[in-house]
Amino acid sequence: DVKVTQSSRYLVKRTGEKVFLECVQDMDHENMFWYRQDPGLGLRLIYFSYDVKMKEKGDIPEGYSVSREKKERFSLILESASTNQTSMYLCASRPGTGGWETQYFGPGTRLLVL
Amino acid sequence: GENVEQHPSTLSVQEGDSAVIKCTYSDSASNYFPWYKQELGKGPQLIIDIRSNVGEKKDQRIAVTLNKTAKHFSLHITETQPEDSAVYFCAASKRSQGNLIFGKGTKLSVKP
Repeated sequence: DVKVTQSSRYLVKRTGEKVFLECVQDMDHENMFWYRQDPGLGLRLIYFSYDVKMKEKGDIPEGYSVSREKKERFSLILESASTNQTSMYLCASRPGTGGWETQYFGPGTRLLVL
Repeated sequence: GENVEQHPSTLSVQEGDSAVIKCTYSDSASNYFPWYKQELGKGPQLIIDIRSNVGEKKDQRIAVTLNKTAKHFSLHITETQPEDSAVYFCAASKRSQGNLIFGKGTKLSVKP
């Protein structure tokens, strides 16, 4: 079974804190993704990576950065958390370089910024 | 860029009835259309997908239809059961690029 794990299910942070969200996949997938999910807005792509040390901006990268030092791990970083970054964050991974392979999601991290 | 519209945003059906969720897409070059189911407290999970070279695909009680001319695709669930209650997302992508563009989701409630 493909497994995508996220380091925390729930996080509470204060405005201005630096926040790290970690994602690990165990299937040697090349592609990894970070989305945020908000009611009524669906899933919006923040950043993605198609290889180690490679990263590409998604639709809403402002206020976020990412790191991919190892193939299995993709980290999302909030340099200075703000209340409008309160959301559910979903990590996903997918094999290959084409678009027809299944994309697998982690369970999500619900982040509350106070 | 691609835009995916999904309707309805909420859907309530009686157990045993059918449910239909519809999506339209804007980019005629899109050629891959997956559907994801998200249960409470979990990440989305792929339930069925269709590629642009077929018009319909079925897997037990779930089917997806694609109309490339009209640029819309639909999810059909027959004989609904309470465990079908979840949020369903449609998505579209171009194989050459691969990033999925998601609809905003449909919350399906199946009443026993």
